[in-house]
Amino acid sequence: AQSVTQLDSQVPVFEEAPVELRCNYSSSVSVYLFWYVQYPNQGLQLLLKYLSGSTLVESINGFEAEFNKSQTSFHLRKPSVHISDTAEYFCAVIGAGGTSYGKLTFGQGTILTVHP
Amino acid sequence: GAVVSQHPSRVICKSGTSVKIECRSLDFQATTMFWYRQFPKQSLMLMATSNEGSKATYEQGVEKDKFLINHASLTLSTLTVTSAHPEDSSFYICSATDGIYGYTFGSGTRLTVV
Repeated sequence: AQSVTQLDSQVPVFEEAPVELRCNYSSSVSVYLFWYVQYPNQGLQLLLKYLSGSTLVESINGFEAEFNKSQTSFHLRKPSVHISDTAEYFCAVIGAGGTSYGKLTFGQGTILTVHP
Repeated sequence: GAVVSQHPSRVICKSGTSVKIECRSLDFQATTMFWYRQFPKQSLMLMATSNEGSKATYEQGVEKDKFLINHASLTLSTLTVTSAHPEDSSFYICSATDGIYGYTFGSGTRLTVV
């Protein structure tokens, strides 16, 4: 079994400030890790993913996340946020084997609100 | 890039009627499709996994007779909510994959049962 915990349900921040959205996971098998973003009344869009290789992964719009196996974390960061980053962000994992193989498990979501 | 089209985006139906939601992969063949349900201010809960040409696998607690899933081709899966009731009102999202590395989500369907 696997689970994902997003430690903050809401994160308010001012424009151009840095932000970190925290994500911890637990799993009995190796995992692949994802961050998705959801705008109101829309589906999910993939922001970035970690499959293997470098533990630091980046998105095209300035977000980055670092896989930390020892701390079982995959925190999402951005050094300077914009108003347009306001959305809900979901951390998700897929088990690389076992009964969880191929199934995405989502965290509870973090609502990021960027204020002017 | 991979695109998944989900239709309709919003639907309002009367209690007791059935509603069909379609999920299409537009530019790739989806070997597996997933259906999720999202309650307000909550995360996505996986309802079922469907593979083309075979019966869907439902998660524990999901009524298979109420939520009928058909994955008749590599590009189309449908979710039919039968005899809908107000408690079925929710946001339903599908996703499709052609392998473990790529999960593309549809835009979601807001179902309101009155």
